[in-house]
Amino acid sequence: DGGITQSPKYLFRKEGQNVTLSCEQNLNHDAMYWYRQDPGQGLRLIYYSQIVNDFQKGDIAEGYSVSREKKESFPLTVTSAQKNPTAFYLCASSIVDRDGGELFFGEGSRLTVL
Amino acid sequence: GDSVTQMEGPVTLSEEAFLTINCTYTATGYPSLFWYVQYPGEGLQLLLKATKADDKGSNKGFEATYRKETTSFHLEKGSVQVSDSAVYFCALWDAYNFNKFYFGSGTKLNVKP
Repeated sequence: DGGITQSPKYLFRKEGQNVTLSCEQNLNHDAMYWYRQDPGQGLRLIYYSQIVNDFQKGDIAEGYSVSREKKESFPLTVTSAQKNPTAFYLCASSIVDRDGGELFFGEGSRLTVL
Repeated sequence: GDSVTQMEGPVTLSEEAFLTINCTYTATGYPSLFWYVQYPGEGLQLLLKATKADDKGSNKGFEATYRKETTSFHLEKGSVQVSDSAVYFCALWDAYNFNKFYFGSGTKLNVKP
């Protein structure tokens, strides 16, 4: 079945460590996105990519990095520079068309900093 | 800039009650509008969408009409079920603003038997 796979589902990290969250899609979508969700809050855009080898900062990119070397993959690295990394991270993809298409989401990765 | 405003929750209803969750938006161009639903511990799923003024999106008994004159996209359901308990997000996509999706803060719905 087509979809978006995020891993790991749960991740624990010590302060000062970098961690990488995986996001893979087999929907052949051009655009991919990373969002952060904090308890009781909406989604905030971290990074997005409309095409391979290109990506743009979202609203809260500081302390995060991404790469887009393959169409199907868009990993997110949470660096030690991110001051409050404990959150629920959601990856999404979409077809880019005139109507905006539809965002397809993965099941999320919950990161906890100990 | 573009933005989406939703009514704050939580909203608590008894089964079979009528549901309305308000959503208003601000956009530069002519956005597409969406409602997404998130069940506990999961990602978001598209519930319905509308791409132009006066369009009505519908799915699973939920409806929302794109009202350009009031810049609104309110979500309604005539008779909610316990299984509708979730967080609902209103969102917009505006091609004039770098093809980004904008989300409201979400409204949690609790339906009691």
